[in-house]
Amino acid sequence: GAVVSQHPSRVICKSGTSVKIECRSLDFQATTMFWYRQFPKQSLMLMATSNEGSKATYEQGVEKDKFLINHASLTLSTLTVTSAHPEDSSFYICSARDPVTSGNTIYFGEGSWLTVV
Amino acid sequence: DAKTTQPNSMESNEEEPVHLPCNHSTISGTDYIHWYRQLPSQGPEYVIHGLTSNVNNRMASLAIAEDRKSSTLILHRATLRDAAVYYCILRDVRSSNTGKLIFGQGTTLQVKP
Repeated sequence: GAVVSQHPSRVICKSGTSVKIECRSLDFQATTMFWYRQFPKQSLMLMATSNEGSKATYEQGVEKDKFLINHASLTLSTLTVTSAHPEDSSFYICSARDPVTSGNTIYFGEGSWLTVV
Repeated sequence: DAKTTQPNSMESNEEEPVHLPCNHSTISGTDYIHWYRQLPSQGPEYVIHGLTSNVNNRMASLAIAEDRKSSTLILHRATLRDAAVYYCILRDVRSSNTGKLIFGQGTTLQVKP
């Protein structure tokens, strides 16, 4: 079935640096992808909607200048955490909708663990 | 999106059926009922979805109350690999082309050998 893949699965970066996480739809085209973050023992929190060829739509309280989203093609969205700090350490997950399958099934990536030291 | 209410946690014995309830008393006529599950340190995984009629697939069954104000996800024979957090989510069919999902706290299912 359809697959959404994230890279890297784990990344450690120094405080103050930026880190990029990629989200790819492997066998379908996704005009829209979504980015979530999840802290330990908590549920997923939607951060933003990534729109191919246009600006991302951010949820209330999410800093667009800190979490840069680029959706340059129909199969790739990237999330860049800029000037990362330890409180940005979290599990970041992307999702994408396959417009072809019945019910518009949404597929999630494997997630990316970010640790800021 | 309308809200759902699920128990925080449930326990089951291996190879026994599991019934995971979800209340959605404010569901609208255009809301689909979706279930996803999340295994530890993984992204969520689609389980099943329905609108009005009960649904079956290879993973589970979804029983929807006649008034649609509640539903139950049924795992017919729980295995240790079914231990996960199960999320019941309502998604308006009119916005189904967006793919946006809002997650609640879900039910943490423990499966005992």
